[in-house]
Amino acid sequence: GAVVSQHPSRVICKSGTSVKIECRSLDFQATTMFWYRQFPKQSLMLMATSNEGSKATYEQGVEKDKFLINHASLTLSTLTVTSAHPEDSSFYICSARGARGTSANTGELFFGEGSRLTVL
Amino acid sequence: GNSVTQMEGPVTLSEEAFLTINCTYTATGYPSLFWYVQYPGEGLQLLLKATKADDKGSNKGFEATYRKETTSFHLEKGSVQVSDSAVYFCALNYGGATNKLIFGTGTLLAVQP
Repeated sequence: GAVVSQHPSRVICKSGTSVKIECRSLDFQATTMFWYRQFPKQSLMLMATSNEGSKATYEQGVEKDKFLINHASLTLSTLTVTSAHPEDSSFYICSARGARGTSANTGELFFGEGSRLTVL
Repeated sequence: GNSVTQMEGPVTLSEEAFLTINCTYTATGYPSLFWYVQYPGEGLQLLLKATKADDKGSNKGFEATYRKETTSFHLEKGSVQVSDSAVYFCALNYGGATNKLIFGTGTLLAVQP
C-alpha cells in the first residue's frame, strides 16, 4: 500500500512551452503533497507544499507564477512548469502524506518515482 | 542554516563487502535524521530513522546511529547484496513538521556479484 505515482516519468519539450506533471496517490488519500526538484549532483530541494482545496505554499525563491501547483482532489496534485526554459530542466519529485484517520497517516512521507524534464 | 552533507558516489562494492556511507549535518536544535533509499525506477522509500541523540535506526541489515557529538548519521551494512544497489539519501527534519525535510545529494551504491 501507500503508493505514489508520477506521470510522465520523462518529458522533453521546447523552450517556451508549458509542461504538466501529475502526482497521484494510488491507494490512499493525501491531504498534503510536496514537490521537490533536484539538479544534477545536488540535493532535493522542497519547492512547495500543496494542500487539497487550497493554495499551495511556496518556499522562498520559488516563483509561484512559474510553477503552478493544483491539488484539486485527495489523490491528485499537478505541477505545471509554465513557459519552460532550459534552466528549468531538472528532476521533479513529489511526495504525499496520508490523510488523518486513514491507515496511511503514519507520519511517513511516500514518494513518487520522479519526473525528468528536459527543456530544449 | 540547516544542511546535510553526504559522501559523493558512486560507491562500487563487491557482494558481501562492508558498506559505509558517510553523512554529517548542520542544524539548530535537535532534528530527526533519516536515510531514504531509491531503487531504480521507483520513488524514495524510508529506510531508517533516528529521532534523538544516540538512537540507532535499523532496517534490512542497515544501521545508522545519531551521533550528536560528531553531528553524523553514517549508514552501515555488514554484508551488501546486489539487490542493495540504489541511491541512498540522508535527510534531516526540522521545525517539528515531517514536510520540512532537508536532503543530502544522494549516494549511488553499485554492488557487483
